[in-house]
Amino acid sequence: NAGVTQTPKFRVLKTGQSMTLLCAQDMNHEYMYWYRQDPGMGLRLIHYSVGEGTTAKGEVPDGYNVSRLKKQNFLLGLESAAPSQTSVYFCASSSVGNTIYFGEGSWLTVV
Amino acid sequence: DQQVKQNSPSLSVQEGRISILNCDYTNSMFDYFLWYKKYPAEGPTFLISISSIKDKNEDGRFTVFLNKSAKHLSLHIVPSQPGDSAVYFCAASNQAGTALIFGKGTTLSVSS
Repeated sequence: NAGVTQTPKFRVLKTGQSMTLLCAQDMNHEYMYWYRQDPGMGLRLIHYSVGEGTTAKGEVPDGYNVSRLKKQNFLLGLESAAPSQTSVYFCASSSVGNTIYFGEGSWLTVV
Repeated sequence: DQQVKQNSPSLSVQEGRISILNCDYTNSMFDYFLWYKKYPAEGPTFLISISSIKDKNEDGRFTVFLNKSAKHLSLHIVPSQPGDSAVYFCAASNQAGTALIFGKGTTLSVSS
């Protein structure tokens, strides 16, 4: 079972460049999320979606945009990358009111 | 302001002993609580959960206790094993809402 798949797994960006992280889930989950993990900060919610075509801001949304054009995909975009966005990004999905399942992470370095 | 707090960044325990990880929350609307375990270079994996209608949930070596009046929950691991060494995250949500809010995590080290 694939579960939650993130691509790419590793990426190095220059300041000001743009990129998109792709998340795909094959569990027919309604909800999808993007979190970032930084040392000493735990997991912080960036954006989330409660269904196809919907998105909402989380705890740390600035500098990111998201889109949920298909139920199984949730894209996280960085329009102009900054060194402060160097982090590990985790996508997750869940059914309503149930446990969320995480992908394996995407390591992003902005230089 | 942090809504979910794990005040101990690290915990060291000997193999076979009990590990107790603590978590406090401030939002009285939270009614569903989970613990996740994370190894380096991997995504967090679900460990155990508890609904606010319960005060205890047990799954093998793992037990979660919830004290709603104190807005406190704890994860007990008995007996602890070296393979339990990982970062443990406490998380909470409002079932009528959506996303989980996580604490900063506690790094558990179990020595043999």
